[in-house]
Amino acid sequence: GQQVMQIPQYQHVQEGEDFTTYCNSSTTLSNIQWYKQRPGGHPVFLIQLVKSGEVKKQKRLTFQFGEAKKNSSLHITATQTTDVGTYFCAASGSARQLTFGSGTQLTVLP
Amino acid sequence: DAGVIQSPRHEVTEMGQEVTLRCKPISGHDYLFWYRQTMMRGLELLIYFNNNVPIDDSGMPEDRFSAKMPNASFSTLKIQPSEPRDSAVYFCASSRQGNSPLHFGNGTRLTVT
Repeated sequence: GQQVMQIPQYQHVQEGEDFTTYCNSSTTLSNIQWYKQRPGGHPVFLIQLVKSGEVKKQKRLTFQFGEAKKNSSLHITATQTTDVGTYFCAASGSARQLTFGSGTQLTVLP
Repeated sequence: DAGVIQSPRHEVTEMGQEVTLRCKPISGHDYLFWYRQTMMRGLELLIYFNNNVPIDDSGMPEDRFSAKMPNASFSTLKIQPSEPRDSAVYFCASSRQGNSPLHFGNGTRLTVT
């Protein structure tokens, strides 16, 4: 299956600081999806990126897909305590199944 | 839309016992996926179905694991016999198409003692 590396594994920020997680692949991806999992919960779909260089925004969240379609990032501006959770990228190559990155666990300190 | 429904939410069993996890996907979704989540290995795809047919079971750990989808609204994941290393959260997810967003169930937390 598709291999995706996600960094960092953990991130602690003060409330109001920004946060970014990165997802990288050695091969070209057909699309990439981002999910958020709250502690004790299940992954919830946030967004899908398909086009090279695509940028999408959801309020304080900005998602980018690299020009070569081999990397992606999720940036949160001015974090809030409600942003706590683990953020996963999930990549789809030529096969139809998604491969999830290892996730970035975000802690927001009040 | 009730979402993906999994049962039970929690399962505690002794080593050697058979465990059956159940999943009802969202109506109209053609794809069903079984994932396992552990701290050490993260989210691993075990098997997925398209229109009730198993497409890729290469993620199934070993012959102790089996999955079925007898109809479009029901799937099971069975472990027989169970072992302590099978302890994990097992998620079922469904999607309309292969590359569509996944809708996850609440998961089954399995503990094998």
